Amino acid sequence: DAGITQSPRYKITETGRQVTLMCHQTWSHSYMFWYRQDLGHGLRLIYYSAAADITDKGEVPDGYVVSRSKTENFPLTLESATRSQTSVYFCASRGTSGYQETQYFGPGTRLLVL
Amino acid sequence: SQKIEQNSEALNIQEGKTATLTCNYTNYSPAYLQWYRQDPGRGPVFLLLIRENEKEKRKERLKVTFDTTLKQSLFHITASQPADSATYLCALPGLSGGSYIPTFGRGTSLIVHP
Repeated sequence: DAGITQSPRYKITETGRQVTLMCHQTWSHSYMFWYRQDLGHGLRLIYYSAAADITDKGEVPDGYVVSRSKTENFPLTLESATRSQTSVYFCASRGTSGYQETQYFGPGTRLLVL
Repeated sequence: SQKIEQNSEALNIQEGKTATLTCNYTNYSPAYLQWYRQDPGRGPVFLLLIRENEKEKRKERLKVTFDTTLKQSLFHITASQPADSATYLCALPGLSGGSYIPTFGRGTSLIVHP
């Protein structure tokens, strides 16, 4: 199916464990993004990527690692999960809709760190 | 620092009325501004983009205005319906490393009562 998908959709883990959230898009968009969304903070950018092998930090990158070896995949890794990383994580890619630049979001991953 | 402000209080209106949501910003000189809709448990969905040289843009029952002097955008939904109930986010492109990277407001929840 065309679009942007995330897996898993729900994840429960324990403090200190490594967790990887997957993101896959079928449009071959150059730009991809990871956001976290928390009550009271809205969407905050964690990392973004302009192309394969090009990544850059966003507003809240600490505790996260990204890689982008292929254009279609942009995984996000929490190296040692902390309770403060409990959140909803959204992946997005940037494309155009009717000549307008837009971001296409995935369905989100709900992560609970115990 | 750059700031985007949206009313954090939910907007409650009666079906059939016009809903007006506000997005104010500081320390930006955006080339454009975007509006997204987010339903509970889902990722944001792009609605409209308005450029700095456009005063107003319409799409079906939606109308967006953009006043770069006031640093404000207004988002109107005419003849509102209960199905319009959602959270609406505005987004502005911030320049980072030569790329436009969007930053989102926290969103305003709209509740349309039948």
